[in-house]
Amino acid sequence: DGGITQSPKYLFRKEGQNVTLSCEQNLNHDAMYWYRQDPGQGLRLIYYSQIVNDFQKGDIAEGYSVSREKKESFPLTVTSAQKNPTAFYLCASSIVAFSYNEQFFGPGTRLTVL
Amino acid sequence: RKEVEQDPGPFNVPEGATVAFNCTYSNSASQSFFWYRQDCRKEPKLLMSVYSSGNEDGRFTAQLNRASQYISLLIRDSKLSDSATYLCVVLFGNEKLTFGTGTRLTIIP
Repeated sequence: DGGITQSPKYLFRKEGQNVTLSCEQNLNHDAMYWYRQDPGQGLRLIYYSQIVNDFQKGDIAEGYSVSREKKESFPLTVTSAQKNPTAFYLCASSIVAFSYNEQFFGPGTRLTVL
Repeated sequence: RKEVEQDPGPFNVPEGATVAFNCTYSNSASQSFFWYRQDCRKEPKLLMSVYSSGNEDGRFTAQLNRASQYISLLIRDSKLSDSATYLCVVLFGNEKLTFGTGTRLTIIP
């Protein structure tokens, strides 16, 4: 079945640690995105990638980093510089970036900083 | 003013009733509009795109009013399974997709 997978589902991190969230898709989509969702707020864009080996900052990129070495994979690293990292992180993909095409979301990773 | 605004609810509606939500957007140059559904602690999933002429999918009807800059979602004959948060999503140009905070709907037996 085609889709997007994210791992892990739940992640606990100590302050000062970097953690990497995995996102893989087998939909053959060019565009991939990372969003963050906090209670009472809409999804906010962290980074997006329109094509392999290219990515751009979204609205809240500070304290995060990404890579796009393969079409299928778009991992997100939450660094210790991110001041409030506890949130629900959602990865998405679409055929092309920011078009009328549907964005497909992975099941998300809940990150908690202890 | 927020780029996309929704009434957060909650809307508590008896089963079988009709319910409607609106979503307003600030950028008149917005070109594409969507309703996504998000179940509790799950990922959003596309419910329907919103076309200029309005569109219907079974019990769901979406409307766009460009003059007043809002979109609406109407759910007829509501089912218990319709309980979810409904996200309004607006595409500005080809470079920004903005999500509303969502409207929470609970269908009561």
